[in-house]
Amino acid sequence: DAKTTQPTSMDCAEGRAANLPCNHSTISGNEYVYWYRQIHSQGPQYIIHGLKNNETNEMASLIITEDRKSSTLILPHATLRDTAVYYCIQGTSYGKLTFGQGTILTVHP
Amino acid sequence: DSGVTQTPKHLITATGQRVTLRCSPRSGDLSVYWYQQSLDQGLQFLIQYYNGEERAKGNILERFSAQQFPDLHSELNLSSLELGDSALYFCASSPSPGHPANYGYTFGSGTRLTVV
Repeated sequence: DAKTTQPTSMDCAEGRAANLPCNHSTISGNEYVYWYRQIHSQGPQYIIHGLKNNETNEMASLIITEDRKSSTLILPHATLRDTAVYYCIQGTSYGKLTFGQGTILTVHP
Repeated sequence: DSGVTQTPKHLITATGQRVTLRCSPRSGDLSVYWYQQSLDQGLQFLIQYYNGEERAKGNILERFSAQQFPDLHSELNLSSLELGDSALYFCASSPSPGHPANYGYTFGSGTRLTVV
């Protein structure tokens, strides 16, 4: 019973920005938005998380709308190695993470 | 290396058998989570331990059990194995609540269990 909604799949050209949307309309005040990705049967890899403000790290940027009901993960310069399943998850910092089906991002040469 | 260590990486066993999967969390993390990922299903949460105590349970079968030891490593025990238990089993760890962590939950590389 994942609480977020993501597109099933997206494509992106190598070198371009990949913008992955996520709806989390039921998010509560103490829940963060987490993004993870899983590259072919490897363990999920943490990308970024945020509460209210936009966040940026060496991997990506996270843009959260003011009402916190949706967010966008931005990979600024996608490479072939960014091809993966991307999961958007809402959750607290001390509880389980409930994974949905995620978005299959395919980066094309 | 994520800092979360899972052993063994691969396990092949027969139906009806019992196996134990082991997880060592990232240094300093107090919570351990177990997830199951079958071919046709996503990541399913099984159980969470925090500092030795069970904190949350998900869709964990009665044939499965887990524990977290004083040194914080955790073991997932799977018994009376069935073909349908074949899956990837991931362990993740996270810091204590309120910890100013900026790395989220850290996952191990998983144990691939094949029941034949």
